[in-house]
Amino acid sequence: AQSVAQPEDQVNVAEGNPLTVKCTYSVSGNPYLFWYVQYPNRGLQFLLKYITGDNLVKGSYGFEAEFNKSQTSFHLKKPSALVSDSALYFCAVRVNSNTNAGKSTFGDGTTLTVKP
Amino acid sequence: GAVVSQHPSWVICKSGTSVKIECRSLDFQATTMFWYRQFPKQSLMLMATSNEGSKATYEQGVEKDKFLINHASLTLSTLTVTSAHPEDSSFYICSARSQYQETQYFGPGTRLLVL
Repeated sequence: AQSVAQPEDQVNVAEGNPLTVKCTYSVSGNPYLFWYVQYPNRGLQFLLKYITGDNLVKGSYGFEAEFNKSQTSFHLKKPSALVSDSALYFCAVRVNSNTNAGKSTFGDGTTLTVKP
Repeated sequence: GAVVSQHPSWVICKSGTSVKIECRSLDFQATTMFWYRQFPKQSLMLMATSNEGSKATYEQGVEKDKFLINHASLTLSTLTVTSAHPEDSSFYICSARSQYQETQYFGPGTRLLVL
């Protein structure tokens, strides 16, 4: 079984400050890890992923995430938040397998609000 | 690249009618497609997974006769909500992935309102 936890329903930061959105996971085997962002009344947009290699992954819009195997975490970060980053963020995990089969498990989402 | 479209984006219908939602992968072959339902301010609820040319696999609690899924080609999947009722009103989102991609890409969603 696989699972994802996003422990914070809501994260509030001031514009220009660094932001972190937390994600921890549980999976049997090596994980594929993903972050998506959702703006109101829209589908999810892919931000970044960890498959293998460097633990620090850089993605779209200046976001990055660090894969920490010992802590089973994949927190999303950005050095300087923008008001336009305000949205709903989802973390997802899937087992890394040769067949590339299987479905991803999504966290419950974290609403990020960046205030000017 | 990796664009997924959905049509329609909005639909309002009377109770008892059926509604079909299309999901297309525009620039890749989607060997697997997923259909999700999302309630306001809530996470995604996976309804079913479909592989091209095969019957969809439904999640527990999702009625397969109520939510008909067809994945007849590598670029198109459809979700038909049969005999829709007000409780079926929701935001439906499809997602697609090819056998060569680790990432699944999402459509923009379809807002269904059943009166």
